[in-house]
Amino acid sequence: AQSVAQPEDQVNVAEGNPLTVKCTYSVSGNPYLFWYVQYPNRGLQFLLKYITGDNLVKGSYGFEAEFNKSQTSFHLKKPSALVSDSALYFCAVTHTGSYNQGGKLIFGQGTELSVKP
Amino acid sequence: GAVVSQHPSWVICKSGTSVKIECRSLDFQATTMFWYRQFPKQSLMLMATSNEGSKATYEQGVEKDKFLINHASLTLSTLTVTSAHPEDSSFYICSARDIGTGVGEQYFGPGTRLTVT
Repeated sequence: AQSVAQPEDQVNVAEGNPLTVKCTYSVSGNPYLFWYVQYPNRGLQFLLKYITGDNLVKGSYGFEAEFNKSQTSFHLKKPSALVSDSALYFCAVTHTGSYNQGGKLIFGQGTELSVKP
Repeated sequence: GAVVSQHPSWVICKSGTSVKIECRSLDFQATTMFWYRQFPKQSLMLMATSNEGSKATYEQGVEKDKFLINHASLTLSTLTVTSAHPEDSSFYICSARDIGTGVGEQYFGPGTRLTVT
């Protein structure tokens, strides 16, 4: 069965410092991996995705993520955090077979990122 | 970019009444839309997958007679909460899959806050 784990409920970072939000996954077959961000009382906004190719994926708002197949991880990173990055972040996964059959995403439980000035 | 709208953004209804929530893809065609439910500070729970022109596929534990889903066109899906009760109060989010972009990510609507009194 597919699953996603975000081991940290909350991550606290000082503005200007690098940030990492962790995600590990379990799927059968090749994974498709996504990061989304949610601001209070809003829907999810797409940040980036890994389908194939380079393991380092660059996305919106200066975020990037590194796909590590051996560690089954897809951690979200940003070199210099902003206060405005404070939000709820979700990692999601699906795989080729699932995607071709409808594309259901499995979401992690979410990590609340707090960036302090 | 791909935009998904939801209407209404919030609604208050009395117990026993029905509420309809609309989800529209504004600038792309979506053969598949998804309906999620989210509780405060928690992850998204997939309720059902909605395919244009066919019956929705409900996740285990979701009452299809209570949560009626209709996907009448390539740009519109509706969720009707029938005979609503206070425990149905939640944040409902839809997403649409842009099939035209190959392996496309899901684009999320801004959500609908339902409060049943």
